[in-house]
Amino acid sequence: DAGVTQSPTHLIKTRGQQVTLRCSPKSGHDTVSWYQQALGQGPQFIFQYYEEEERQRGNFPDRFSGHQFPNYSSELNVNALLLGDSALYLCASSLSRGFYGYTFGSGTRLTVV
Amino acid sequence: GNSVTQMEGPVTLSEEAFLTINCTYTATGYPSLFWYVQYPGEGLQLLLKATKADDKGSNKGFEATYRKETTSFHLEKGSVQVSDSAVYFCALSDGGATNKLIFGTGTLLAVQP
Repeated sequence: DAGVTQSPTHLIKTRGQQVTLRCSPKSGHDTVSWYQQALGQGPQFIFQYYEEEERQRGNFPDRFSGHQFPNYSSELNVNALLLGDSALYLCASSLSRGFYGYTFGSGTRLTVV
Repeated sequence: GNSVTQMEGPVTLSEEAFLTINCTYTATGYPSLFWYVQYPGEGLQLLLKATKADDKGSNKGFEATYRKETTSFHLEKGSVQVSDSAVYFCALSDGGATNKLIFGTGTLLAVQP
């Protein structure tokens, strides 16, 4: 049973560029959440997607956007990259009904130079 | 707003020593509480959880008790091993539509042989 799969594992981008990160949820899960983990910090909630819509958003600017596809996979897009966007981006999947907790992927390490 | 405070690390112990990592929280209502572990270069793994006051979560020799009167969820293990070296995150979920997680800043545990 595959868990949460994220791609790519590492990425280097230049300031001002745009990036797309991808996530496939655990089999059977229908909800995807994204978190940003800066170095030495705990993960911060970016947003959650369910039924292809953004259900809740954390304190992140509009440069951060997302999408969920009919197969429940998800993308995180970040526009106009800043040096401060360098972080580990974690995807977590869960069930919308009867919440039993999250399954996290291994993350995408984004470095902005 | 809701928040989680963890003791700062790093915590350095010898193998077979007793471990305590303190965690306190601020929340309205009755949150669920979690401990996640992050090994080097990996994502987060759920270690244990508790969903109501006086519940004790346990897994792999680790334990934590949900103490509403002191708003605490301290992590303990009687005898640590070198393989327990990792970063430990305390987190809460306040329920609601998304059950999003709010994390502490993490505590690095280093166990020496």
